[in-house]
Amino acid sequence: DQQVKQNSPSLSVQEGRISILNCDYTNSMFDYFLWYKKYPAEGPTFLISISSIKDKNEDGRFTVFLNKSAKHLSLHIVPSQPGDSAVYFCAALLYSSASKIIFGSGTRLSIRP
Amino acid sequence: EPEVTQTPSHQVTQMGQEVILRCVPISNHLYFYWYRQILGQKVEFLVSFYNNEISEKSEIFDDQFSVERPDGSNFTLKIRSTKLEDSAMYFCARAGTGGYEQYFGPGTRLTVT
Repeated sequence: DQQVKQNSPSLSVQEGRISILNCDYTNSMFDYFLWYKKYPAEGPTFLISISSIKDKNEDGRFTVFLNKSAKHLSLHIVPSQPGDSAVYFCAALLYSSASKIIFGSGTRLSIRP
Repeated sequence: EPEVTQTPSHQVTQMGQEVILRCVPISNHLYFYWYRQILGQKVEFLVSFYNNEISEKSEIFDDQFSVERPDGSNFTLKIRSTKLEDSAMYFCARAGTGGYEQYFGPGTRLTVT
């Protein structure tokens, strides 16, 4: 079951530059898309989300873009900081009263000085 | 501050033994979830729980698994007879006010030997 796919297992970006993490999905019925950040030995931390009826959502240094026709979303982090080094999971859900989240496989982001 | 706390942080058990993993919400919530992440793999949905009943469960959540909220506060996941392949990080999550985002606890690392 590969409904949410993150094709890049890792990404290295210089501090201060833009980090772009990509995600593709197959189910056009998803209502929400979410990004989670995860440090080792910790639970996933909710970062930002976007409704399927929007194409952009911004929160501080984080912006998520949604392209429904391409079934593609991306997370932009600018400027990238050392504390951003973590694994980032793209996720999606079909909204209901007790929605389950479907996760991608994650992208390990490393911010180099 | 975690949205939920989980105990224990690490549990080692022998194959065939029963384990109980606990999740304690910081405040009153109605929707809870269990997920797991086998080392190097995706975070996978196990079960959602609302108002003391299972709302949805995945194919992973077979007869060896059960969930309950025995005292109206703690939320438990029980694995009746553990197998080696049950070794994973188990995360409890609660729903956010938007109804779609979920906030995860720090996880319990289960090691089955």
